[in-house]
Amino acid sequence: AQSVTQLGSHVSVSEGALVLLRCNYSSSVPPYLFWYVQYPNQGLQLLLKYTSAATLVKGINGFEAEFKKSETSFHLTKPSAHMSDAAEYFCAVSKNNFNKFYFGSGTKLNVKP
Amino acid sequence: SQTIHQWPATLVQPVGSPLSLECTVEGTSNPNLYWYRQAAGRGLQLLFYSVGIGQISSEVPQNLSASRPQDRQFILSSKKLLLSDSGFYLCAWSVPPSGGLTDTQYFGPGTRLTVL
Repeated sequence: AQSVTQLGSHVSVSEGALVLLRCNYSSSVPPYLFWYVQYPNQGLQLLLKYTSAATLVKGINGFEAEFKKSETSFHLTKPSAHMSDAAEYFCAVSKNNFNKFYFGSGTKLNVKP
Repeated sequence: SQTIHQWPATLVQPVGSPLSLECTVEGTSNPNLYWYRQAAGRGLQLLFYSVGIGQISSEVPQNLSASRPQDRQFILSSKKLLLSDSGFYLCAWSVPPSGGLTDTQYFGPGTRLTVL
């Protein structure tokens, strides 16, 4: 079974519009959850993470995500998209197996002028 | 502060040739180390991870191998490259988990490998 599911491999928004990237996880116990961003031909950069503290997590570049246990979701949002947000975004979960992450398949965000 | 290096940045190799990609981490000790591959249009695939010198776990049977000869050095190798080995290879490190859950993984800049 998939540990992390990202709905929508491609999302397109207009500049200034709301960004919503979806991530659902499967875990019998609260995991750690992460969002990473990847620009072309670069490594992954941490945007934000949830490690069982506040359920609303604020990250870099104006992004935030909310951990909803009842929905097993950790969706990423940004109120107003900027052209520089165009990139691929990965959701990841760390489960209680000590050493590994499970990554979603990624969502490419396109921002239209 | 901690930094992670990968080299080379790009590599073009013929089918059947050997491969050696290197990853080093500075500013931390006894990190967990990881090798991932991104094939074109696909997500991240975990290839290997290591929790200590000489300790390698393989996630996917394949044409590649990994070694950790020093605490902060992680090497990805192949004796004979296949076309299907082309991709973007990423190294990452994390602090060893306490209490069971791995916290943040930090990624290197990646190596673009093209096998012709």
